[in-house]
Amino acid sequence: EADIYQTPRYLVIGTGKKITLECSQTMGHDKMYWYQQDPGMELHLIHYSYGVNSTEKGDLSSESTVSRIRTEHFPLTLESARPSHTSQYLCASSETDNQPQHFGDGTRLSIL
Amino acid sequence: ELKVEQNPLFLSMQEGKNYTIYCNYSTTSDRLYWYRQDPGKSLESLFVLLSNGAVKQEGRLMASLDTKARLSTLHITAAVHDLSATYFCAVEGTYKYIFGTGTRLKVLA
Repeated sequence: EADIYQTPRYLVIGTGKKITLECSQTMGHDKMYWYQQDPGMELHLIHYSYGVNSTEKGDLSSESTVSRIRTEHFPLTLESARPSHTSQYLCASSETDNQPQHFGDGTRLSIL
Repeated sequence: ELKVEQNPLFLSMQEGKNYTIYCNYSTTSDRLYWYRQDPGKSLESLFVLLSNGAVKQEGRLMASLDTKARLSTLHITAAVHDLSATYFCAVEGTYKYIFGTGTRLKVLA
């Protein structure tokens, strides 16, 4: 059973604030990902990592940053939140090639 | 650049009917995944297809992969209301997965 946790589940916050979305997994997976998804729409890859101290930008231009200091932890930071950042953010991990991704429950973010 | 397209985007069908969702992708890959997403929920893995001709079945859903045609299908047999959800295919490339646009399925009683 997949164990990947995201906090907070919901966040409503004002424009200009710095936000960190947390993602942790207990499976020892090397690969981790962040996606942005509007309700029921396609997933857009924002960042990914294939191990400690390795991070890459995804296909969606984003004003966020990530870090991967520990295998189990992959936080996403928005330095200055804007209303255009309002969306759902999904974190996922996978063990190796040929394995499906395991997804967290997501963080639903609303920027006022 | 790897692109993944699904059709249809929306599907409304009667209970008991059969239908197929299609997933086309643009470059060679033999690793394809199907996921289900319920409203307000996260994604759940349904099928893993890792070779040409792979076929997987679970209940009323059956997925197949044709790597030469760059096509995967998700076939629904005798649909029931509980299958209402959004279905995504995803192709595994180098270090990342590319998702299709999703097919929003609604099964009507």
